[in-house]
Parts: sequence; C-alpha cells; structure tokens
Amino acid sequence: AQSVTQPDIHITVSEGASLELRCNYSYGATPYLFWYVQSPGQGLQLLLKYFSGDTLVQGIKGFEAEFKRSQSSFNLRKPSVHWSDAAEYFCAVGINNNDMRFGAGTRLTVKP
Amino acid sequence: ETGVTQTPRHLVMGMTNKKSLKCEQHLGHNAMYWYKQSAKKPLELMFVYSLEERVENNSVPSRFSPECPNSSHLFLHLHTLQPEDSALYLCASSQTSGGLNEQFFGPGTRLTVL
Repeated sequence: AQSVTQPDIHITVSEGASLELRCNYSYGATPYLFWYVQSPGQGLQLLLKYFSGDTLVQGIKGFEAEFKRSQSSFNLRKPSVHWSDAAEYFCAVGINNNDMRFGAGTRLTVKP
Repeated sequence: ETGVTQTPRHLVMGMTNKKSLKCEQHLGHNAMYWYKQSAKKPLELMFVYSLEERVENNSVPSRFSPECPNSSHLFLHLHTLQPEDSALYLCASSQTSGGLNEQFFGPGTRLTVL
C-alpha cells in the first residue's frame, strides 16, 4: 500500500544551524512529491514539489529537497534555520488523480 | 493568505447539535477537498469534489455530509458527532482534482465535540 513516513516526530535545532527533515515513501511508480509547512493556527502552505527532471528541487523560504529514487526518499533541507521556520512540516505523495497521501508531520522547534 | 477561507475558525458543539463548516476559494479552482487533521496522525482525506461533483468519499461516517453548491463553495454539515470527531478540519482547493496538483489550504476550523 502507498504510504509516507516521516521518522522524526519532533526536531529541535539552534537558529543558524542546518536542517534536514526526512521523508520516505512507498509507491510503485514514480511519485509526485511535495513538502508543505503549517504554522500554528494556519493551513498548509506548499514549500516545494518534485514531478520529474532535476532531483534537487528549490523551494520558497530557502528550502530545498532532494529526490533519491534508490532510497525512496525526499528529504527537506535548509542550510541555516531562522526562528520563523518553527512550524510543522508535512511530506506528501500524489498517487493518483484523486488522492494525496500525507505523512504524520515533523514539528520543528528553533532554539535561540 | 492562500485564497481559501474557512468559517468559523473555532466551533464547540454538543453531540446532539447540528452545525455546518463553510469553505470558500477565490482562486478559480475546479476542485475542493475536506481533510481531517488529528494530533500525531497524518491528514485524512475525507471528500473530494471536482466541478461540483463528489469524486471521492473515503469511508467517512454519515454524520459528516458534504455539499458543494458551486465551484467556489464547499460545506461540511455535521450532526450527532462523537467526541473523537474533535479535530482541525481543513479545506483545500486545486486547479483540477487529484494528488498530482498543488493544493491550497484554508486555515482550518478547530472543532471540539463535547
């Protein structure tokens, strides 16, 4: 069955440190992959997406993600985290014409 | 501001009440979605509408009843809910239906069932 796994429920990093959030998926075909961010009291906002082509994808707010087919992964990275990046991050896989599967989310805390 | 608005933002209701959640999108999209977000669980897709027709219903209990009168508006009618239905209900829209399109989310309605 198709699934999305975000192994880390909660991550804490210091401001200015680098960040990597993990996402693994299980899907038979080439997936459409997304990362969304949800700030407190808000809906989800798209950070970036991968459909095909270059496996390193640039998104908004300085985020990037790399698709690795061999590892079934689509990890999100940022070289230097800002306090405003504290939020919950969701990886998602588009699997057919009417369904998008989301991971359970990773909550990011940023220490001063 | 994503172009998708939801009202009310917070709702407290008893198990015997009837209430409705409203979603409106100002993006000219053709597809709209209802999701349920519970703590520590993945988002659960509840309903999908494409061009005002329901195209997906993921085994949602009948106490949740969606309505899509036009492509800009989506409602979720609630009746005789259970405490475990307490959650954040998110509405989203996309240009066309499906998991292959970017979805734009509203801020959600925080529902508490007493």
